[in-house]
Amino acid sequence: EVQLVQSGAEVKRTGESLKISCKNSGNSFTHYWFGWVRQLPGRGLEWMGIIYAGTSETRYRPSFQGQVTISADKSISTAYLQWSSLKASDTAIYYCATAVPGTYYFDSWGQGTLVTVSS
Amino acid sequence: QSALTQPASVSGSPGQSITISCTGTSSDVGAYNYVSWYQQHPGKAPKLIIYDVNNRPSGVSSRFSGSKSGNTASLTISGLQAEDEADYYCNSYTTSSGSYVFGSGTEVTVL
Repeated sequence: EVQLVQSGAEVKRTGESLKISCKNSGNSFTHYWFGWVRQLPGRGLEWMGIIYAGTSETRYRPSFQGQVTISADKSISTAYLQWSSLKASDTAIYYCATAVPGTYYFDSWGQGTLVTVSS
Repeated sequence: QSALTQPASVSGSPGQSITISCTGTSSDVGAYNYVSWYQQHPGKAPKLIIYDVNNRPSGVSSRFSGSKSGNTASLTISGLQAEDEADYYCNSYTTSSGSYVFGSGTEVTVL
């Protein structure tokens, strides 16, 4: 069974960089797709992008391409979402979720990471 | 890549049935039988309740069912219970960048 544990809440200033994590404490890290989902305060879910942990093949929603970087480190079974220069509009809860290759749904979710960006 | 269209809110009395629609395009909902539905209670992570249009994961109540016709998918909750009060989101695989798109979300209220 996949268990996803995300890193803790972050408070940052605009222009700072940030990398949040999603650790798979189950087994077979490389056998999953890891997706990232944004939820702005009081708003709905937005698909950001996805990475296949086995090969690091990555796909981004067009509106997030170039705004964030999704990566994975197989040696520690962890997927990442990072920003090089945060904006106030990046303030949101970020969820990671997994899918098995060949399936098209996300059945395991992390608890979410709250990112607060202020000027 | 716009969000799939869902009604903002749906309400019903305990025991009633409600249906939430999810309208997309021929590039997402209409293109594949890869529509899933997620339930999100306040302050909690989303939970998968329907996958591949009409399949329920183990442990999900049979009161939840899904269907699809053309570019519109639907989630039906029968025998509405107080615990069903939550936000519900549809999601579809899309031909755009081999990615996914969520619906705008529907708040379900149990009267």
